[in-house]
Amino acid sequence: GAVVSQHPSWVICKSGTSVKIECRSLDFQATTMFWYRQFPKQSLMLMATSNEGSKATYEQGVEKDKFLINHASLTLSTLTVTSAHPEDSSFYICSVPTGTHFFNGYTFGSGTRLTVV
Amino acid sequence: KNEVEQSPQNLTAQEGEFITINCSYSVGISALHWLQQHPGGGIVSLFMLSSGKKKHGRLIATINIQEKHSSLHITASHPRDSAVYICAVSVGADGLTFGKGTHLIIQP
Repeated sequence: GAVVSQHPSWVICKSGTSVKIECRSLDFQATTMFWYRQFPKQSLMLMATSNEGSKATYEQGVEKDKFLINHASLTLSTLTVTSAHPEDSSFYICSVPTGTHFFNGYTFGSGTRLTVV
Repeated sequence: KNEVEQSPQNLTAQEGEFITINCSYSVGISALHWLQQHPGGGIVSLFMLSSGKKKHGRLIATINIQEKHSSLHITASHPRDSAVYICAVSVGADGLTFGKGTHLIIQP
């Protein structure tokens, strides 16, 4: 089945620094990847849609200059949290639409727990 | 924007019990998804439904498009079923809109 690898699993960083999170589709090509965020005790929320070879599409209220998305190849999308602050501490997870000949749901990465101190 | 409501928010049951989790949504969709989230955060896709009913092992998912309602059932529940079960909806292959999840605990 489809496998999506996400790294790192967890990261602690100092306020003001930047953190890069990688999402890789291991055995299939992904022209689209989705980035979600989940604050404690809250539901997952779509942050942005990452499109290979073009600019990402951000959801309302998500700062594109703070959450930089790069989808430079068909198997890799990266999310960089720039100038991180404690309020950016959250669980970030990517997902990829899957299916060989037709859309067959989504495969999720394992998630990244970010703590900004 | 679609509103996805799940109930109950928390559910504790004894091993062997039949479990039902409900989900309703407000706007027409292409598909409804049932997901399982484990304590570490990892998410597994259980079902994608656009109509009718699907079964996988002890899990059954149903959807009523007219009522905008879906249910997830677990038969002969087991402690290893303890997790957060999340209902989510999609339009085409766009990103998902999620419910808040149901925290399920199955006690031995």
